Amino acid sequence: EAGVTQFPSHSVIEKGQTVTLRCDPISGHDNLYWYRRVMGKEIKFLLHFVKESKQDESGMPNNRFLAERTGGTYSTLKVQPAELEDSGVYFCASSQDGGIYNEQFFGPGTRLTVL
Amino acid sequence: KNQVEQSPQSLIILEGKNCTLQCNYTVSPFSNLRWYKQDTGRGPVSLTIMTFSENTKSNGRYTATLDADTKQSSLHITASQLSDSASYICVVSAKNAGNMLTFGGGTRLMVKP
Repeated sequence: EAGVTQFPSHSVIEKGQTVTLRCDPISGHDNLYWYRRVMGKEIKFLLHFVKESKQDESGMPNNRFLAERTGGTYSTLKVQPAELEDSGVYFCASSQDGGIYNEQFFGPGTRLTVL
Repeated sequence: KNQVEQSPQSLIILEGKNCTLQCNYTVSPFSNLRWYKQDTGRGPVSLTIMTFSENTKSNGRYTATLDADTKQSSLHITASQLSDSASYICVVSAKNAGNMLTFGGGTRLMVKP
């Protein structure tokens, strides 16, 4: 069974440009999460989809970030326009159900560098 | 504010030795605590998940303990191997919508031959 995949693995862009990150969850997983880790900090929650609906987007830093999950399959996270402080590693995770264990499986992450 | 603190930040041990990593949390209301292993360039991989009623759980050479009263957890690695070199992250889930996870900063473990 394929795990969570993310594309691209690395992205280097200039301040003010737009970048779109993609996440393909494990097939059949309704829950999809985005997280990020900025340099020297812990991983932090961004938002949570249940199928195509945003369940919780309280971690989104500002309106320059837009996440979508059309059709409840893959998800995209767009940053527009990118700022220097957006640099970090963006992780996607998916889980099958929202039960007490709710084991989340993580992708390898996308390393974003904004110059 | 929900927080997870880990110690030490980094640790170097010799192959074959044991080590214990610590985690203190203030997440409330508590749902469960997880330990993840993250290899360089990879995503975190779950080692153990414990709920309030579980105070120890093992996964091979990894044994996690949980004291919900003192809000502390530890991860003990027995007979370390070179492949144990990684970051170990303590993650606590609160009983709220979406099972939001609060991550610790991780302990970077290096096992030397």
